[in-house]
Amino acid sequence: GQQVMQIPQYQHVQEGEDFTTYCNSSTTLSNIQWYKQRPGGHPVFLIQLVKSGEVKKQKRLTFQFGEAKKNSSLHITATQTTDVGTYFCISGGSNYKLTFGKGTLLTVNP
Amino acid sequence: DTGVSQDPRHKITKRGQNVTFRCDPISEHNRLYWYRQTLGQGPEFLTYFQNEAQLEKSRLLSDRFSAERPKGSFSTLEIQHTEQGDSAMYLCASSTEGAYEQYFGPGTRLTVT
Repeated sequence: GQQVMQIPQYQHVQEGEDFTTYCNSSTTLSNIQWYKQRPGGHPVFLIQLVKSGEVKKQKRLTFQFGEAKKNSSLHITATQTTDVGTYFCISGGSNYKLTFGKGTLLTVNP
Repeated sequence: DTGVSQDPRHKITKRGQNVTFRCDPISEHNRLYWYRQTLGQGPEFLTYFQNEAQLEKSRLLSDRFSAERPKGSFSTLEIQHTEQGDSAMYLCASSTEGAYEQYFGPGTRLTVT
């Protein structure tokens, strides 16, 4: 996969606050995948974005793919303690191995 | 449960010993992947199989590591002469050919003392 930079590395919020994590690339991406890993758990596939400007929603989660296909974001509205974990964005340059970065670790204070 | 399973879930071994881990993918998935994850890092790709063929190995996979998928179903990952630096979570994932999403197992946590 192509190299993407994800920020922030850590985010601590109060329950009920919103949260956003961003992924940026210097090159055009063919697609972006998002995974979530709970503490002590394994990565779980959330979504894949392919089209320029694509926006997809899953309940309180909103995923966006930039118009230039060089950036992506994940926004969580009104965080809950169940949202705790590390969120990874991954550029799927090929449809096999995943190249994970460090992701964004979200902690939520109840 | 029809997800990816891994065995054992935890393994403690002494330096220099050999260990073997098993992964059972989702039954209809012909692709199987191994990753290694250390604390605070994302998983790192080690190798992957399409059916029984091992198609790519990472440079992270030294000669002490070997993986097999003899019948295109379950896979084993063996580490010979373990070192303390091998301590990590070893994750297995599977997918169907052409699908981007991978389904991960719970992992095997290896501790080398």
